[in-house]
Amino acid sequence: NAGVTQTPKFQVLKTGQSMTLQCAQDMNHEYMSWYRQDPGMGLRLIHYSVGAGITDQGEVPNGYNVSRSTTEDFPLRLLSAAPSQTSVYFCASSSGTQNSPLHFGNGTRLTVT
Amino acid sequence: AQTVTQSQPEMSVQEAETVTLSCTYDTSESDYYLFWYKQPPSRQMILVIRQEAYKQQNATENRFSVNFQKAAKSFSLKISDSQLGDAAMYFCAHPGGYGQNFVFGPGTRLSVLP
Repeated sequence: NAGVTQTPKFQVLKTGQSMTLQCAQDMNHEYMSWYRQDPGMGLRLIHYSVGAGITDQGEVPNGYNVSRSTTEDFPLRLLSAAPSQTSVYFCASSSGTQNSPLHFGNGTRLTVT
Repeated sequence: AQTVTQSQPEMSVQEAETVTLSCTYDTSESDYYLFWYKQPPSRQMILVIRQEAYKQQNATENRFSVNFQKAAKSFSLKISDSQLGDAAMYFCAHPGGYGQNFVFGPGTRLSVLP
């Protein structure tokens, strides 16, 4: 019963490098999302998807790209890493109904130097 | 825009005592859900409890209960008989339309003193 699988757990990048955070869920959830967590700011929505082929921006989308080619996978791409993107990133999914909680991956701690 | 406020950045409680974490929110919806999540040092996000705004009765899950005041848009979490394992960050969250796009409060860090 894997739930939401997110990789890697830790990553260090230099400014300007690119990388992809992987996220996969096995619960057949239509809704998937990426959040970043910064001290004192809670979790803020980066991008989300309501189904394969459909993505949209959240509160803090700049510097990030997403795609949703399958129901299971929702990768997050950092195009050119900046120190301001140092954060903890969470992938989450839900069935999208009003009473459904978010199911989270275990998070990625990203440091950009 | 929906907002969630947690006015207590840090709280502490003695083991076996009771503590209440505060949360207020803003929404224009009439029926909605509210959630509390726990984040221990492991970083994992764990669902603690959920409340449907349409229901008058406050939700309860073992030692965790809520005090939901719809008119005041207040959704506090009460932890009874606090245990060392309750030490964590606690986030109040309100999903947006159709149960998507959760908005989270800034969190309250709870310490449990032996």
